[in-house]
Amino acid sequence: ETGVTQSPTHLIKTRGQQVTLRCSSQSGHNTVSWYQQALGQGPQFIFQYYREEENGRGNFPPRFSGLQFPNYSSELNVNALELDDSALYLCASSQVPQGTSGANVLTFGAGSRLTVL
Amino acid sequence: SQKIEQNSEALNIQEGKTATLTCNYTNYSPAYLQWYRQDPGRGPVFLLLIRENEKEKRKERLKVTFDTTLKQSLFHITASQPADSATYLCASNFNKFYFGSGTKLNVKP
Repeated sequence: ETGVTQSPTHLIKTRGQQVTLRCSSQSGHNTVSWYQQALGQGPQFIFQYYREEENGRGNFPPRFSGLQFPNYSSELNVNALELDDSALYLCASSQVPQGTSGANVLTFGAGSRLTVL
Repeated sequence: SQKIEQNSEALNIQEGKTATLTCNYTNYSPAYLQWYRQDPGRGPVFLLLIRENEKEKRKERLKVTFDTTLKQSLFHITASQPADSATYLCASNFNKFYFGSGTKLNVKP
């Protein structure tokens, strides 16, 4: 059973640029969610994808967008990068979407560390 | 919206002692609370889940309690080891996951 893999592990961008982060979900999981984790903070929910459609979103502006592919892998795109976007971006997969069952647990990847200069 | 609060100060304890971490929630009582462990530079790893109607849950050296009156969950690690040193996150899952900021545990040999 493969876990959640993310790429790239580290990247540096400048303000105003765009970035794409990638995630492969765990085998058997059909739902992917993305989180932003600033230093010293807990993960903040960005959005969730189920059946290739966005299915729930946190308090993030539209310049944060995503995709889910038929193989359940996913991308997070961030446009017009700002300095405050510097963070660890975590992808998590689960067997069912959030809100379906409170017993639903998340399997996280190791994250992509984004630095915006 | 739901808010999960954890003590942001690091918890330093001696090896062999019991570590107790606190998680408080505001607003509505979640049907479930979950605890995750996060090591530096890594993603969180699921440890335990406790339901609202369960007062206590155990897994090996780990124990979690859920007190709906106090709006609080306690996470205990008995016979702690230096390998238990990590940040521990509490989370509730309603329409979406709400995570606390985590408590860093340092277990000294």
